[in-house]
Amino acid sequence: KAGVTQTPRYLIKTRGQQVTLSCSPISGHRSVSWYQQTPGQGLQFLFEYFSETQRNKGNFPGRFSGRQFSNSRSEMNVSTLELGDSALYLCASRGGGLAIYNEQFFGPGTRLTVL
Amino acid sequence: EDQVTQSPEALRLQEGESSSLNCSYTVSGLRGLFWYRQDPGKGPEFLFTLYSAGEEKEKERLKATLTKKESFLHITAPKPEDSATYLCAVPPPGDKIIFGKGTRLHILP
Repeated sequence: KAGVTQTPRYLIKTRGQQVTLSCSPISGHRSVSWYQQTPGQGLQFLFEYFSETQRNKGNFPGRFSGRQFSNSRSEMNVSTLELGDSALYLCASRGGGLAIYNEQFFGPGTRLTVL
Repeated sequence: EDQVTQSPEALRLQEGESSSLNCSYTVSGLRGLFWYRQDPGKGPEFLFTLYSAGEEKEKERLKATLTKKESFLHITAPKPEDSATYLCAVPPPGDKIIFGKGTRLHILP
């Protein structure tokens, strides 16, 4: 079974630009979550989508948004990039419905650098 | 406020030297605690889910235990390939999973 895939793996942008990251979950998984990982703050929850609906959102500004398509693929968008948005963005998928205690499978991440 | 704290931040051990990593949490209505392993440049890899105090789970040289306020990840006779960052995470009410900042483990040959 193929794992979670994320594209692109690396991205360099400048301040003020916007960026879109893509995530393909494991086949059959309908839950997709996004996380931001930085050395100082660790892994922080951005949002979760289930069957094209956002279920939860973390404490991030409105510049961070996402969506999920009918095939469960998800995209995350960051507008008006700031230097502090430089981070590893991780996507995770989960099977078994909405149960929060089901294990999550993470993708390799997208390394975003904002100059 | 819901919090997950891991200690130590970093740990260096000689090959074969057993030790424990700690994850303490302040979350009401615990519904589970997760342990993950993360290698540099990769996404976290799931290790264990513990559901209730007293529960224990094992995988090769790793053993995870859970009490009402903390979890331990015991590493027995570690090998260099066990070097990684170990993360714990808790889902408080509201379904927003909170991760600790991790323990960077380095096993010297």
